[in-house]
Amino acid sequence: GAGVSQSPSNKVTEKGKDVELRCDPISGHTALYWYRQSLGQGLEFLIYFQGNSAPDKSGLPSDRFSAERTGGSVSTLTIQRTQQEDSAVYLCASSLESLYQETQYFGPGTRLLVL
Amino acid sequence: QKEVEQNSGPLSVPEGAIASLNCTYSDRGSQSFFWYRQYSGKSPELIMFIYSNGDKEDGRFTAQLNKASQYVSLLIRDSQPSDSATYLCAVRRGQNFVFGPGTRLSVLP
Repeated sequence: GAGVSQSPSNKVTEKGKDVELRCDPISGHTALYWYRQSLGQGLEFLIYFQGNSAPDKSGLPSDRFSAERTGGSVSTLTIQRTQQEDSAVYLCASSLESLYQETQYFGPGTRLLVL
Repeated sequence: QKEVEQNSGPLSVPEGAIASLNCTYSDRGSQSFFWYRQYSGKSPELIMFIYSNGDKEDGRFTAQLNKASQYVSLLIRDSQPSDSATYLCAVRRGQNFVFGPGTRLSVLP
């Protein structure tokens, strides 16, 4: 079956512009995560969606970042007024989120470069 | 203290040797532990997960968990050059996963 997909794969933008990153999780996966990975660094948690529950936004670095998940499936991460420090790979992951079925499956990521 | 700590490496081992990767975590309430492999420029992919104290083996990989010491490790037997990658330790904390910074492994032919 299809894995997690993300688009665009690469995005170059100018400082101050808004960007939207898209994630299509594996069908049937109720949990969806967004992470950020800067060059040579580990994964930084951003936001977590689980079913119809309120998302856990505790990892969002500033109010310029927001995310939504429509219909419990596709998610969009929006970064407003981008800054150069936002340059990173943005990874999306999904999981079944049931007992002993919590393995996350990652998408290929979106590489964002803010000039 | 960071929640999940790993030696950043690089850890270099000769082909055929055992590579030992270590991870410590701070939250005693953590219940699930994961090892991911990430090749340069690629996304993380799951190698193993472990929930109970002791060892769990899968092919050339063995995960070891010691909750009393808050320590989880990954052993790679008969290391191959294709094992050269960054290995990420992840710990389930409540609703979230917390990742360590990763250990870069280099297997020398």
